[in-house]
Amino acid sequence: RKEVEQDPGPFNVPEGATVAFNCTYSNSASQSFFWYRQDCRKEPKLLMSVYSSGNEDGRFTAQLNRASQYISLLIRDSKLSDSATYLCVVTYYGGSQGNLIFGKGTKLSVKP
Amino acid sequence: NAGVTQTPKFRVLKTGQSMTLLCAQDMNHEYMYWYRQDPGMGLRLIHYSVGEGTTAKGEVPDGYNVSRLKKQNFLLGLESAAPSQTSVYFCASSYDPRDSGFTDTQYFGPGTRLTVL
Repeated sequence: RKEVEQDPGPFNVPEGATVAFNCTYSNSASQSFFWYRQDCRKEPKLLMSVYSSGNEDGRFTAQLNRASQYISLLIRDSKLSDSATYLCVVTYYGGSQGNLIFGKGTKLSVKP
Repeated sequence: NAGVTQTPKFRVLKTGQSMTLLCAQDMNHEYMYWYRQDPGMGLRLIHYSVGEGTTAKGEVPDGYNVSRLKKQNFLLGLESAAPSQTSVYFCASSYDPRDSGFTDTQYFGPGTRLTVL
């Protein structure tokens, strides 16, 4: 059962490039959506929440399409420091899995 | 405010040995979680707790036990370690997600790298 699916990458891009990550989820009862960032050998940290209306935080834009059960993350003007693994996360309350379901992550490598 | 802390950071066990991983949080969070992360598998929930004195099974609970005797602490035990339990273990905590309309997030500890030989 693949509840949250992401392209594993790696995405290798030059500095300044625009890169987009996609994520699909299978549970239509999912209630909220996030993108986390995980640096090598570190813990996941919240990057941004994802809302139906779309939201932007500086160079990062997240979109949610509930009808298609699809989430995206756009990074503009990539920096070397953006190199990390990006985890798509969906939540729903109830069931035996607690409430947070992680994708396996998409690895991004930004090169000079 | 230390957030979520985990001890130990690293550990090597022999098959059959036991150990306890400790997670502590100082954010007064009701919910606490234990995950394991393996290459190519992503994060998988082992057990979680919705409050002091309560625990519940997650996706991969076999071979692990947990206890939440105090609100700020969540312990993960391995009674008889197996090589398949070699992994990175993350603890996380959060407020009751229902209180925020499921918009709140989880905060993670730095992880424990466990190797079972």
